[in-house]
Amino acid sequence: AQSVTQPDIHITVSEGASLELRCNYSYGATPYLFWYVQSPGQGLQLLLKYFSGDTLVQGIKGFEAEFKRSQSSFNLRKPSVHWSDAAEYFCAVGGNTGFQKLVFGTGTRLLVSP
Amino acid sequence: NAGVTQTPKFQVLKTGQSMTLQCAQDMNHNSMYWYRQDPGMGLRLIYYSASEGTTDKGEVPNGYNVSRLNKREFSLRLESAAPSQTSVYFCASSTGSGTYNSPLHFGNGTRLTVT
Repeated sequence: AQSVTQPDIHITVSEGASLELRCNYSYGATPYLFWYVQSPGQGLQLLLKYFSGDTLVQGIKGFEAEFKRSQSSFNLRKPSVHWSDAAEYFCAVGGNTGFQKLVFGTGTRLLVSP
Repeated sequence: NAGVTQTPKFQVLKTGQSMTLQCAQDMNHNSMYWYRQDPGMGLRLIYYSASEGTTDKGEVPNGYNVSRLNKREFSLRLESAAPSQTSVYFCASSTGSGTYNSPLHFGNGTRLTVT
């Protein structure tokens, strides 16, 4: 069965500093991988997705993620964090055959300090 | 463009009471989902409807029922609420089968407290 691990529950980053959020997945075949962001009181919004091709994918709001098959990882990065990036971030994995449902990680809450 | 609309936004129930959470989408999506979000557990799928007329259990279906009323609407019912069902409930929709080309669109959630 597929699973997702986000090892960091909370991360605090200074505004303007770089960010990396970790995500490790387990899936028996080629996975679809996603990052979603949830602002307080809101639903989740898709940041970016990966299936195949270039292992570095660009998303909205200046985020990118790199797929590393050998490490079963799909870490999210941003070169310079803004205060508005404070939110909860979820990694998710899905399949590529039939009707597949996403499995979400437990989330990482990002705090941005001035 | 409303997207996915959930009602109510907040609800407090006593143990044993019943209620229905409503969800409607205006994006002509085929598939709809109900998730619950609990601290430290992320989002867990309760039920989903791959297409109009079909529903299937997700990871945590016990204590819930669903109805896909039509293509737009997908409701979640708690027949006899329990404190363990205190959670934030999210409805989502997508265009169809597979997840890559049909990302999930989420509503803003219903915060349910069962006392």
